[in-house]
Amino acid sequence: NAGVTQTPKFRVLKTGQSMTLLCAQDMNHEYMYWYRQDPGMGLRLIHYSVGEGTTAKGEVPDGYNVSRLKKQNFLLGLESAAPSQTSVYFCASTGAGHSTDTQYFGPGTRLTVL
Amino acid sequence: DAKTTQPPSMDCAEGRAANLPCNHSTISGNEYVYWYRQIHSQGPQYIIHGLKNNETNEMASLIITEDRKSSTLILPHATLRDTAVYYCIVRAFNNFNKFYFGSGTKLNVKP
Repeated sequence: NAGVTQTPKFRVLKTGQSMTLLCAQDMNHEYMYWYRQDPGMGLRLIHYSVGEGTTAKGEVPDGYNVSRLKKQNFLLGLESAAPSQTSVYFCASTGAGHSTDTQYFGPGTRLTVL
Repeated sequence: DAKTTQPPSMDCAEGRAANLPCNHSTISGNEYVYWYRQIHSQGPQYIIHGLKNNETNEMASLIITEDRKSSTLILPHATLRDTAVYYCIVRAFNNFNKFYFGSGTKLNVKP
């Protein structure tokens, strides 16, 4: 099992450009999440999904959109990137079979917006 | 979900036990305590979790006070590879498994 993978690992954008980050998991997990982590801070939840075709807002959803067209994939989109979105983005997934299921995290995508 | 308070940093000598405290004084009866760690900006790694009983696994022990207002993560024999940021998270039952991370404790294990 590869677990949770993220594509790309690094990206540099100019202000106003758009991009999509891909998260894939091979553990047949129902729930998936996108977080951002700014320097010296903990992770903050952007959006999450509790199943194929469903998404919901987290703590800091503004400026991002997400889609969950397939159970194994969760996409995070930036329509018009801003320097404030420079961050490390982590994807995570977990099962829905038990209330104490833990989250498994990907390696992160380092995004710089100039 | 209840808030947590952790010291920003701690030092520990290699080979000694590392005891990381966490305060969660507003915890509710159905909220679990989780511990994760993040090594050098990698994705966070699960360590342990508990509700009210003390828990132990191959990585660590979790001690939760009787009133559940605080807990301590114990790494019994810290190594240099345990240097990381440790996050204490309180998570409610049935909230779609969402986690809210604080700033964590940076544990520095020194030779």
